[in-house]
Amino acid sequence: DQQVKQNSPSLSVQEGRISILNCDYTNSMFDYFLWYKKYPAEGPTFLISISSIKDKNEDGRFTVFLNKSAKHLSLHIVPSQPGDSAVYFCAAVFTGNQFYFGTGTSLTVIP
Amino acid sequence: DAEITQSPRHKITETGRQVTLACHQTWNHNNMFWYRQDLGHGLRLIHYSYGVQDTNKGEVSDGYSVSRSNTEDLPLTLESAASSQTSVYFCASSLDTSQETQYFGPGTRLLVL
Repeated sequence: DQQVKQNSPSLSVQEGRISILNCDYTNSMFDYFLWYKKYPAEGPTFLISISSIKDKNEDGRFTVFLNKSAKHLSLHIVPSQPGDSAVYFCAAVFTGNQFYFGTGTSLTVIP
Repeated sequence: DAEITQSPRHKITETGRQVTLACHQTWNHNNMFWYRQDLGHGLRLIHYSYGVQDTNKGEVSDGYSVSRSNTEDLPLTLESAASSQTSVYFCASSLDTSQETQYFGPGTRLLVL
């Protein structure tokens, strides 16, 4: 069973608007969450993370929100730029154990 | 600059052949991981290692093996390649077993005919 799910395989957004990417998880033991960004023919690169003791973490245009009761996290990109077009993976981990990745959401930012 | 490299970047092989994919990191990271990426499945863990001589099975380990004889390298071997192992393979490393970010290599695209 997929423990981390990204139910939207793709998302299109106009340049300058907000992009919201969603991720749901099933295991309440997860205590750390990350977002990775992947361009074609490259490996995933780390984008932003959040610990389960927080509900929000910001880094420039990127903000991750965590709702533990709903087992849901989201990535907000504001404002969206064409260079943000990529596949975004969320990942969840419980301390000392392996990462579980979602299936990815392909974001297209339209100029 | 420290980095993580994979070779080859592309490989075509035949069913039944043994194939080894190389992964080399110069960060002196203790932990190394192998994933495969397939449409509809995201990244799935094949094998991982928390240090020299340590190896562990991941979610999709059948048909694969790894060995860790030094800190820098974690080669992935497909004992007898099958068409179901056609995929993109990513190697990753992290410093320790806490909440450390994993850093990924550029990937190896493998086609098994």
